[in-house]
Amino acid sequence: GAGVSQSPRYKVTKRGQDVALRCDPISGHVSLYWYRQALGQGPEFLTYFNYEAQQDKSGLPNDRFSAERPEGSISTLTIQRTEQRDSAMYRCASSLDWFLYFGPGTRLTVT
Amino acid sequence: AQKVTQAQTEISVVEKEDVTLDCVYETRDTTYYLFWYKQPPSGELVFLIRRNSFDEQNEISGRYSWNFQKSTSSFNFTITASQVVDSAVYFCALRDGNNRKLIWGLGTSLAVNP
Repeated sequence: GAGVSQSPRYKVTKRGQDVALRCDPISGHVSLYWYRQALGQGPEFLTYFNYEAQQDKSGLPNDRFSAERPEGSISTLTIQRTEQRDSAMYRCASSLDWFLYFGPGTRLTVT
Repeated sequence: AQKVTQAQTEISVVEKEDVTLDCVYETRDTTYYLFWYKQPPSGELVFLIRRNSFDEQNEISGRYSWNFQKSTSSFNFTITASQVVDSAVYFCALRDGNNRKLIWGLGTSLAVNP
């Protein structure tokens, strides 16, 4: 496909479980971003990569959250020991320059 | 610290009315970029405009116009002759010149009623 894809689109998990969210950026895009959007809120920056290097992880809420992009393409955002407050839409975006191409998001619900 | 404030949480208008969505930002940087995005009920984020801090010229695109005023740190968005399809949440966002992350406002939910 031509756009950014994310999987799964919906994830329901029980509190305490680990989850892995995947982002497939547009081919050739250097930068990849993760944002989180809680219901009724604006998106919130989590982290971003240039190629495989994590450039800024200042938005990751705590050490239960981690992200990787080992080959400079697909990225995985992992949340360990999920809590109910982690419930949100997790959005990935990729870019060549300043224009962000957003994916459809993964809706995470922690019960 | 950077901050974006969208004071209007919800706005409701009748079709064909003009409506202005306010955005006030805070940054210490002299180089920065301002954005507006639309989030329709389907949930995707739709880019509307980017403006850099050195370009205070207002912009018009069809029924949409933007008023950038550095003196008041505002970047307001006006929809002229609103239509039902304009119903969405609108986000204002800020990025400074030194890093790549976007700082977003909480959004303004616009309902355009027939």
